[in-house]
Amino acid sequence: AQSVTQLDSQVPVFEEAPVELRCNYSSSVSVYLFWYVQYPNQGLQLLLKYLSGSTLVKGINGFEAEFNKSQTSFHLRKPSVHISDTAEYFCAALIYGGATNKLIFGTGTLLAVQP
Amino acid sequence: EAGVTQFPSHSVIEKGQTVTLRCDPISGHDNLYWYRRVMGKEIKFLLHFVKESKQDESGMPNNRFLAERTGGTYSTLKVQPAELEDSGVYFCASSQDIGGIPYNEQFFGPGTRLTVL
Repeated sequence: AQSVTQLDSQVPVFEEAPVELRCNYSSSVSVYLFWYVQYPNQGLQLLLKYLSGSTLVKGINGFEAEFNKSQTSFHLRKPSVHISDTAEYFCAALIYGGATNKLIFGTGTLLAVQP
Repeated sequence: EAGVTQFPSHSVIEKGQTVTLRCDPISGHDNLYWYRRVMGKEIKFLLHFVKESKQDESGMPNNRFLAERTGGTYSTLKVQPAELEDSGVYFCASSQDIGGIPYNEQFFGPGTRLTVL
């Protein structure tokens, strides 16, 4: 079955520390991968995407992710987090073909940045 | 330019009642999607409109859910009658239709939080 897995439901981290949010996808899905962020009381915002080309993709707010085909992973990283990065982060994959064009999501990871 | 808007932001109803959620996509976006997140679980696809046509409704849970997009502009999602398990956050997203590529960025609304008591 097509799936995206985020093993960490919550990641607490101190301000200015590095962080990695893990995402694994099933090999049966496309390799169009995304990270979305949801700040409190807001909609989902695209953080970054991997469609093709360089396996290291850079997104907004200093985040980056690396596509690793052999490990079927697409982990999100930031070298130094801020309080304002506190939000829920969702990894997603695009399923497309025929009449289908939809995103499948992981269960989300709540990043809690502490002062 | 206005983003995707959803109304209401919150809705609390009793089991057996009817609720209608509305989504206004970004102007000019032919693609409109509905997703749902049940508490603690993943965001799941419900259906996809291209203009006024249902392109893919494979994620609709059952026939208590009815989605429409008359005129290809805004969309409504009606739940009738509502059950306890329908509680969750309903997201709407829209995207342009740029031919030749499989991916057109989906822009999401803030969601409607539905609570069925």
